[in-house]
Amino acid sequence: GAGVSQSPSNKVTEKGKDVELRCDPISGHTALYWYRQSLGQGLEFLIYFQGNSAPDKSGLPSDRFSAERTGGSVSTLTIQRTQQEDSAVYLCASSLALARETQYFGPGTRLLVL
Amino acid sequence: SQQGEEDPQALSIQEGENATMNCSYKTSINNLQWYRQNSGRGLVHLILIRSNEREKHSGRLRVTLDTSKKSSSLLITASRAADTASYFCATGHGSSNTGKLIFGQGTTLQVKP
Repeated sequence: GAGVSQSPSNKVTEKGKDVELRCDPISGHTALYWYRQSLGQGLEFLIYFQGNSAPDKSGLPSDRFSAERTGGSVSTLTIQRTQQEDSAVYLCASSLALARETQYFGPGTRLLVL
Repeated sequence: SQQGEEDPQALSIQEGENATMNCSYKTSINNLQWYRQNSGRGLVHLILIRSNEREKHSGRLRVTLDTSKKSSSLLITASRAADTASYFCATGHGSSNTGKLIFGQGTTLQVKP
């Protein structure tokens, strides 16, 4: 079956605009994760979903960031009023279930805020 | 803050040589995973070792885990040019059990043909 897909693969936006990033997990995977990788840095955990629920939002950098997941499948990460420091690669991963399981990553969305 | 610290930050070897990368972490874990990343894009899962395991093999990969020292190592034997990539360790935590992974900064491996 298909792996995790993300769209768009690249996004260039102007400071202050809103962006929406999409993640389509592997079919049947109940857990979904968002990470961010800034230039020259490691991966930073943002948020995870178990089904449609996101119990832990503490990793989101600010209240400009939000995420939702509907139907236990596709997830969107929205960044409002983008800032230059939001420029990064946003990676989505999914796993069969929470914890103790391998996470399968998508190719990422490279976001550049001008 | 990052859980994992990896060393070396960069490693350059000749094809055919072995490559060893180390990862240290700070708090208790459920499991430790190693991932590879090419060209700054998606990560590929390599191997997962659980906290009650000490060593695991997968093809040319060998991973060890020492929970008393809170450290792990990834050994790639008989390296190939195609192994050139960044390698990250990631820890899954015990207390929250959410599956959230905390990644190290990574080791950049260059294998020269």
